Amino acid sequence: AQSVTQPDIHITVSEGASLELRCNYSYGATPYLFWYVQSPGQGLQLLLKYFSGDTLVQGIKGFEAEFKRSQSSFNLRKPSVHWSDAAEYFCAVGAANQAGTALIFGKGTTLSVSS
Amino acid sequence: DGGITQSPKYLFRKEGQNVTLSCEQNLNHDAMYWYRQDPGQGLRLIYYSQIVNDFQKGDIAEGYSVSREKKESFPLTVTSAQKNPTAFYLCASSMARVANTEAFFGQGTRLTVV
Repeated sequence: AQSVTQPDIHITVSEGASLELRCNYSYGATPYLFWYVQSPGQGLQLLLKYFSGDTLVQGIKGFEAEFKRSQSSFNLRKPSVHWSDAAEYFCAVGAANQAGTALIFGKGTTLSVSS
Repeated sequence: DGGITQSPKYLFRKEGQNVTLSCEQNLNHDAMYWYRQDPGQGLRLIYYSQIVNDFQKGDIAEGYSVSREKKESFPLTVTSAQKNPTAFYLCASSMARVANTEAFFGQGTRLTVV
């Protein structure tokens, strides 16, 4: 079955500390992977995406993610967290080279930032 | 500006009523999607459409209906058959003719049964 697992429901990080949000996927076809961020009551904004090539991808707002095929993981990282990063983060997977297929989302990780 | 517009932002429904959520996009995208979001549940796919006049059920289609008469529009009707409709609903679109593209999301509609 196709699925995305985000093991951490809620994470609290001190401002200025590093961050890693975990994502594992199960997908029969070649996956393409995304991280989205959502502020309360808002839609989702794309942080970054991986389709092929370099397994370390850079995104907006200083985020990066690394694709590890052997571990079926796509963890999101940021070296120094800002208070404005507090939000909910979703990992998603889709079928590579199958245009128009719907993304499958994890249940999300809520990030709190302490001062 | 190009984007996806969902309306209304807040919607209240009485028990037994049908309500329709609007989703319009001016991105010239072929594919459109409806997701439901509940706390701690992530996003679950209700319906999606890859082309005008065609749509497919997602994982939780029961109690919902859609139409796709125009490329720009993909309205979702929450029928009285949906037993627990209170949720946050998100519409998205993507370029169906081009692989490996992301989905763009609207700002959502919060539906509450009163």
